[in-house]
Amino acid sequence: GESVGLHLPTLSVQEGDNSIINCAYSNSASDYFIWYKQESGKGPQFIIDIRSNMDKRQGQRVTVLLNKTVKHLSLQIAATQPGDSAVYFCAEPQRGGNKLVFGAGTILRVKS
Amino acid sequence: GAVVSQHPSRVICKSGTSVKIECRSLDFQATTMFWYRQFPKKSLMLMATSNEGSKATYEQGVEKDKFLINHASLTLSTLTVTSAHPEDSSFYICSALTRALETQYFGPGTRLLVL
Repeated sequence: GESVGLHLPTLSVQEGDNSIINCAYSNSASDYFIWYKQESGKGPQFIIDIRSNMDKRQGQRVTVLLNKTVKHLSLQIAATQPGDSAVYFCAEPQRGGNKLVFGAGTILRVKS
Repeated sequence: GAVVSQHPSRVICKSGTSVKIECRSLDFQATTMFWYRQFPKKSLMLMATSNEGSKATYEQGVEKDKFLINHASLTLSTLTVTSAHPEDSSFYICSALTRALETQYFGPGTRLLVL
């Protein structure tokens, strides 16, 4: 079935290092992917998105890479800061509709 | 842009009472809103899709008479938890979507505790 999943449930990084959060998806027809950040006790916050006609998209300190060959998505955070500590979800619209299919989430912990 | 608010942010109620949660899109019109429930350290679970002017579509296993949804305008959807019980305690999050934006933008969530 369609699913979006994450490889690593928890990622600990040192402040200042780069973080890479991975996501695998199973629907090869997916054409749009989104990364969300959720801080404790808050709703998910849109970070960045990417369409399937792109391999890479950059934002402020974040980069999303899409490898359609292996159906893999990653979020790279440069110079990770304590404020980046949160749960990160990848998501994709369900086939034929607006519903989002969420991955399980990766907890990012930044050590000072 | 694309700000979604929820009210209240936190509510504590007695078992058997009903609780209404509001979701508002502040700077855009949302033809569709979604309601999610989230347990600690878990992903978001979609409860229902709310379309302005029509009945909500509930996900399998979600009781429509228990979780009443009203989407009366393009900027407001409400979720009412009727006859709440302790097992209804959770974090409820809404999101809003327009075709122009394509992306779902989420509210800050409402923490419900039923005693």
